[in-house]
Amino acid sequence: NAGVTQTPKFQVLKTGQSMTLQCAQDMNHEYMSWYRQDPGMGLRLIHYSVGAGITDQGEVPNGYNVSRSTTEDFPLRLLSAAPSQTSVYFCASGGPQSTDTQYFGPGTRLTVL
Amino acid sequence: GEDVEQSLFLSVREGDSSVINCTYTDSSSTYLYWYKQEPGAGLQLLTYIFSNMDMKQDQRLTVLLNKKDKHLSLRIADTQTGDSAIYFCAEIYSGYSTLTFGKGTMLLVSP
Repeated sequence: NAGVTQTPKFQVLKTGQSMTLQCAQDMNHEYMSWYRQDPGMGLRLIHYSVGAGITDQGEVPNGYNVSRSTTEDFPLRLLSAAPSQTSVYFCASGGPQSTDTQYFGPGTRLTVL
Repeated sequence: GEDVEQSLFLSVREGDSSVINCTYTDSSSTYLYWYKQEPGAGLQLLTYIFSNMDMKQDQRLTVLLNKKDKHLSLRIADTQTGDSAIYFCAEIYSGYSTLTFGKGTMLLVSP
C-alpha cells in the first residue's frame, strides 16, 4: 500500500510549455484533490474530484485542467505554464465524507522560468 | 468566502508547552483539522475535532474549540525538537471533504 504518490518530485519548465503532474492512490478513495502551496499563502484548492468521471473547480483553477478516468489516477495538466504557477503542488485523496481523513502526497516542486 | 487565520510563527524551548491558535469564519464547519508539515514533506493529519465537541485529547496533543468565538487551538505538551514544523489549521468547505487551510504556523523548538 503506497498511499498517495506524485511524480515528478521536481520540474523546471519554460514559460509556455505544457506538462502533466501525476497523482495516484491505491486506497480506493473516491475523493481526490489538487492543492498548490505558496509562501505565506497556505494551501489553495485547484481542482477536486468526487469520483471517476466527476471533477470540479476549486479556489484557483485558472491555467489548470484535470480529468478522472479511473479511481486511482488524478492528473493535473498545465496547458501553458506561466511564472505565476511556480509553486509546490500537493495531491490528496480520501473518502467523500467530512469524517474521512485526507491523505497527502509528498508534493511536486515546479519552477517556471 | 470562508477564511482561516493563524499566527505565522511560534518559538518555544524544548520541554515547554506550545499553543497554536486558529480562527475560522464558516459557522457551518462540521470538522476542524490540524495538519503538520515537516520540511520538504507533504501534510500529515495530526488530529481533528467535530464541531459539537469542546475538547479532544490525544497523547501530547490537546485541541480546544470555542464555537461561539470560532476559535481553535492546538496545545502540544512537552514540546520536542522533532515537533518543529509548520502546523496548518483547516476546515471543511461546502459539505465535501474540500479543505480550507490557514496559512500555517511555523513552530520552532530550541534545545
